[in-house]
Order: sequence, then C-alpha cells, then structure tokens
Amino acid sequence: QVQLQESGPGLVKPSETLSLKCTVSGGSINTYYWSWIRQSPGKGPEWLGYIYDDGRTKYSPSLKSRLTISVDTSKSQFSLKLTSVTAADTAVYYCARQRAYVFDYWGQGTLVTVSS
Amino acid sequence: DIQMTQSPSTLSASVGDRVKITCRASQNINYWLAWYQQKPGKAPKLLIYQASRLESGVPSRFSGSGSGTEFTLTISSLQPDDFATYYCQQYDSYSFGQGTKVEIK
Repeated sequence: QVQLQESGPGLVKPSETLSLKCTVSGGSINTYYWSWIRQSPGKGPEWLGYIYDDGRTKYSPSLKSRLTISVDTSKSQFSLKLTSVTAADTAVYYCARQRAYVFDYWGQGTLVTVSS
Repeated sequence: DIQMTQSPSTLSASVGDRVKITCRASQNINYWLAWYQQKPGKAPKLLIYQASRLESGVPSRFSGSGSGTEFTLTISSLQPDDFATYYCQQYDSYSFGQGTKVEIK
C-alpha cells in the first residue's frame, strides 16, 4: 500500500519561503507523477504543481513564479518550495500520487500557517 | 481556465436516500472528470474517474454519469459513512469544484 507523508514547518513568516517534503513508501516513486495540492479552510482543493521521476515539472499558472518542485528518487522524496509567502498561502498542504490525471493516493496533509 | 461549479453547496438527507450531486464545467471537458469524498481532517479520497469509472474498492452504491459540461455523482442508498463533502475535479488544469456537503437531515 502506497503511503505518503508530508513534513516541514507549520509556521512560516510573511515574505519567507515555505518548504515541505513528501516521503513515499510502500511503492516506487518511479513512473508516476507526484503532485502538491493545498486546501484553505472551507474551500475546495487547489492543485499547485507536479513532478515526474525524471524531474519534469508543471506548475499552476497562478503560482508558477513562486513555486519550485524537486524530486530525490534515491530517497523516495519530492519537495515543494514556495517563495514570498503571504497570509493567503495559509492552508493544509497535501502531497499526492497522480495516476493519469487523478489523485489516487494522498498524504494526511500538513497545516502551514503564514504569520509573524 | 476551466471553472467547476457544484450544486447544491449543502444537501440534507437521510440514511437510505438516493442522493445526486451536480458538477458543471465552464467548457466542454468530454468525460475527463473525477469525484472525491472528503471527511473532516482527512485527505480527499478518489471515488470515480473518467466521469463514470468506479475506483477499486469503492462501494457500488456510488456512480458517476455525464459528459461535456454536466456531470452527476449519485449515491443510490446513503449510508452513515457517506456523510462527507464531495468534490469534482477536471483533468485539464486539475481544478476542483467548491464542494457539496452531505449532512444528516
């Protein structure tokens, strides 16, 4: 059974960089796309971007200038960096496995609050 | 960007009821649509993909239909475990609807 686990700081100051890692276990990180998705309170999920095992990425146009997703296949991990954060970036952040164009395995999510 | 609109926002129903949730796309997405169920404090769970294909392990009381711009998620006989929020998601830019909360009547 594939499992994903997010890790990283739960509190980030405005204008700083939000960094999260996702560790994949129970299955290979190879030959799949891996996504980051976030969800603000009371809202629907918002897809942020994905990475393939060879490092190819695609980002949401609204975040493209601030977002970087990277992968370390040797550690079965992929990461998110979101720069210049504001309170609007406060959300639960999920990592997920992408099968074709849907998300079939998700991490439990981690709440990131942007506040001074 | 393709916008996804769900209705209703909230639905009150009883155990055993047949429940229908609608999702409309702002432009034609053929059958490239998925449905998810989310319970409080948990990640969304994939129920349906390609508009009508049931994900492995999902009970057969869930079904999906539609194509083009209008889609429906149907729960044939609502069970206690089904009280949750449901989201549609389109494949093109991965956008989700705003959700439909199914609550106890």
